[in-house]
Amino acid sequence: DQQVKQNSPSLSVQEGRISILNCDYTNSMFDYFLWYKKYPAEGPTFLISISSIKDKNEDGRFTVFLNKSAKHLSLHIVPSQPGDSAVYFCAASALIYGGSQGNLIFGKGTKLSVKP
Amino acid sequence: DVKVTQSSRYLVKRTGEKVFLECVQDMDHENMFWYRQDPGLGLRLIYFSYDVKMKEKGDIPEGYSVSREKKERFSLILESASTNQTSMYLCASSLEVPDTQYFGPGTRLTVL
Repeated sequence: DQQVKQNSPSLSVQEGRISILNCDYTNSMFDYFLWYKKYPAEGPTFLISISSIKDKNEDGRFTVFLNKSAKHLSLHIVPSQPGDSAVYFCAASALIYGGSQGNLIFGKGTKLSVKP
Repeated sequence: DVKVTQSSRYLVKRTGEKVFLECVQDMDHENMFWYRQDPGLGLRLIYFSYDVKMKEKGDIPEGYSVSREKKERFSLILESASTNQTSMYLCASSLEVPDTQYFGPGTRLTVL
């Protein structure tokens, strides 16, 4: 059973517009969330994270929103640029855990295409 | 800056061959991970290690083994490569667990 779900395999957005990538989780113990970006033939790069004590975290054009009651997080990219075209993975874990239970659980990814 | 390097970017092997994938990190991280990435399946954890000479199975360990003789180096071994092990292999490291994981560039392995 998937604990972290990215229900949209792909998303297409016009350059300059907002991209919204969504992620849902089922484990209520999760309190630490991350987004990674991955280009083809490269490893994922860390983008932004958020802990459950916050509901929003911003870094430049990237903002992550966390809705704990809905067990939902989203990544907003404003404005979107063609260079943002990549696969985006969300990941979750629980800070209370250690050892193997503390590993990051990844979603299956959403492929974002930003059209010029 | 954390640097995670992998020994090869592209590798082509034949069925039945023994394959070694090497990963090195330069940030003195305790924790290292091997994943494989396949279209539609996301990142799946094969093995991980919290310390030298220590290893634990991830979600899909079958057909793989690992070795961690030094803190900075984590090797993934395919004892007898099969075509269903054709994939992108990603190594990662982190200071703590849970924590941000930093990934290497990946090795695209093709088994013929």
